[in-house]
Amino acid sequence: KNQVEQSPQSLIILEGKNCTLQCNYTVSPFSNLRWYKQDTGRGPVSLTIMTFSENTKSNGRYTATLDADTKQSSLHITASQLSDSASYICVVSVAGGFKTIFGAGTRLFVKA
Amino acid sequence: DAGVTQSPTHLIKTRGQQVTLRCSPKSGHDTVSWYQQALGQGPQFIFQYYEEEERQRGNFPDRFSGHQFPNYSSELNVNALLLGDSALYLCASSLYDGTGYSYEQYFGPGTRLTVT
Repeated sequence: KNQVEQSPQSLIILEGKNCTLQCNYTVSPFSNLRWYKQDTGRGPVSLTIMTFSENTKSNGRYTATLDADTKQSSLHITASQLSDSASYICVVSVAGGFKTIFGAGTRLFVKA
Repeated sequence: DAGVTQSPTHLIKTRGQQVTLRCSPKSGHDTVSWYQQALGQGPQFIFQYYEEEERQRGNFPDRFSGHQFPNYSSELNVNALLLGDSALYLCASSLYDGTGYSYEQYFGPGTRLTVT
């Protein structure tokens, strides 16, 4: 069964600190993996997208990694800011078709 | 270049009523997907339209139906509304390249539906 699991479910960190969010998937055949940031009540905004041949992709203070062998991905946030408080959603697409599998998201709270 | 737009922004309906939500995809995109997101949950896939046809469908009842127009815009219709249909409804557009390998979705701001 195609699934995407994210951990932790929620996370509280102090402003300026780093954090890492995890995503494990059992999607096959794999096409690509995306990380989205979603502010409360808003639509998700894409942070990174990686295909099976990419191990790392950065977008400013956000760095995503992908291990296609272990089917794991992580999103590392450096020097967190209050505006980083949001839900971060991992999404995996199935190759050759239209299907995408969403994780439930990690809710990040950055405190001053 | 306008991104994905959705209307209305907010909507309040009564149980048993019907509702229509609208979505215009990002310029150049031909595929529209609809998602339901309950408070505190990740988006749940409803269905996807490509070439004016429903290509994929999630685990949603027939009360949820849709349509895609020749200009690629789309509508989501929900009949016989239930309290549990209260959620943020997200529309996402993409360009289907035939393989799925560069299949990046752009989301709209969503429509907040409240059923009372």
